[in-house]
Amino acid sequence: RKEVEQDPGPFNVPEGATVAFNCTYSNSASQSFFWYRQDCRKEPKLLMSVYSSGNEDGRFTAQLNRASQYISLLIRDSKLSDSATYLCAVIPYRSGNTPLVFGKGTRLSVIA
Amino acid sequence: DGGITQSPKYLFRKEGQNVTLSCEQNLNHDAMYWYRQDPGQGLRLIYYSQIVNDFQKGDIAEGYSVSREKKESFPLTVTSAQKNPTAFYLCASSAPGFTEAFFGQGTRLTVV
Repeated sequence: RKEVEQDPGPFNVPEGATVAFNCTYSNSASQSFFWYRQDCRKEPKLLMSVYSSGNEDGRFTAQLNRASQYISLLIRDSKLSDSATYLCAVIPYRSGNTPLVFGKGTRLSVIA
Repeated sequence: DGGITQSPKYLFRKEGQNVTLSCEQNLNHDAMYWYRQDPGQGLRLIYYSQIVNDFQKGDIAEGYSVSREKKESFPLTVTSAQKNPTAFYLCASSAPGFTEAFFGQGTRLTVV
């Protein structure tokens, strides 16, 4: 099983739709979880951190399910500008400054 | 403004040549990382450094070398031993602990 796995998509959704992505991780000792957004031929940019209690930022909601070892990202009221690849990232060990391990990303296309 | 600067943005190299990619950060971060991204793929870790004068191999270190003589700088050399060096190279840094990584704008290396 790969360390971090995502459905590559693409997810093609109409404007205004709600879309959700999941990301599973294999190491139960994983400590920190993040969602990044990557536009075509650009660097990844942090979208949000994922806390045990969940995290909401406007139209974006991130959840962590430790029992099932996955994190999720929910986007409500999708905009054309949300079209991008969404990468999940995990710090897999208990020591700090351990490098982030990334999934391969889920591609989202929001269609007018 | 604080950030991570990678240069050059585009780089062309002839087969058999070594080339060095620059990465500088003024975020006062201890940890720095190099990732490689191939089309449609996730980020794979090449090398990382948690402190000056120390660095560790990542998952795909063969054919690459690094140095960390200053906190601000973490250059990556792609050697002629790297069999397939054409890729998008991303440098990142992070603060101590289980924190997110911030990325530079990347260097797109093409072997001609």
